[in-house]
Amino acid sequence: LAKTTQPISMDSYEGQEVNITCSHNNIATNDYITWYQQFPSQGPRFIIQGYKTKVTNEVASLFIPADRKSSTLSLPRVSLSDTAVYYCLVGDATGANNLFFGTGTRLTVIP
Amino acid sequence: DGGITQSPKYLFRKEGQNVTLSCEQNLNHDAMYWYRQDPGQGLRLIYYSQIVNDFQKGDIAEGYSVSREKKESFPLTVTSAQKNPTAFYLCASRPRATGANVLTFGAGSRLTVL
Repeated sequence: LAKTTQPISMDSYEGQEVNITCSHNNIATNDYITWYQQFPSQGPRFIIQGYKTKVTNEVASLFIPADRKSSTLSLPRVSLSDTAVYYCLVGDATGANNLFFGTGTRLTVIP
Repeated sequence: DGGITQSPKYLFRKEGQNVTLSCEQNLNHDAMYWYRQDPGQGLRLIYYSQIVNDFQKGDIAEGYSVSREKKESFPLTVTSAQKNPTAFYLCASRPRATGANVLTFGAGSRLTVL
């Protein structure tokens, strides 16, 4: 499984766009990239998933360069409620039996 | 509504006691997982199961045991052999389908050893 590396923490002011980058140099051909958000004392919840180029949904965008060795989660116009830990996972979508979480990125949104 | 139910939400244990954490899902998912989370840390995989009556150890299986007798249930037993069991435990599941490595998590169980 591909190992991921993320910044430990980030701060941002309300209303700004936040970009969190994840490095995954050993990503395999069949691997997808998935991002989760976790609030204190809650289970992580799915944000977005992609394989290449750009994916956008109602809460975030995911940018993946051609070499797929990194990915960037983009949160537009963050609010205080976006303060959370964000995890990047890389795994085989065809049936990986075990999915490993790293330490994630702790985002703090400042008023 | 479909989802994952973990119980109890809070549990206190005396040293030397075994405790079992319940995880039930009605999502018809094939794969189920147990993670442990310590304060300020990421999630670490304890055990996972892809199908009924089969499960594999994760990174930190020592001191834990699981069973998968039914598709919808994956209970975790924290045994007395687990020397530092105080933690937040999360159960998750996912469909066993292509492009579906998206996990659905329960609300978690917080275990405190007295």
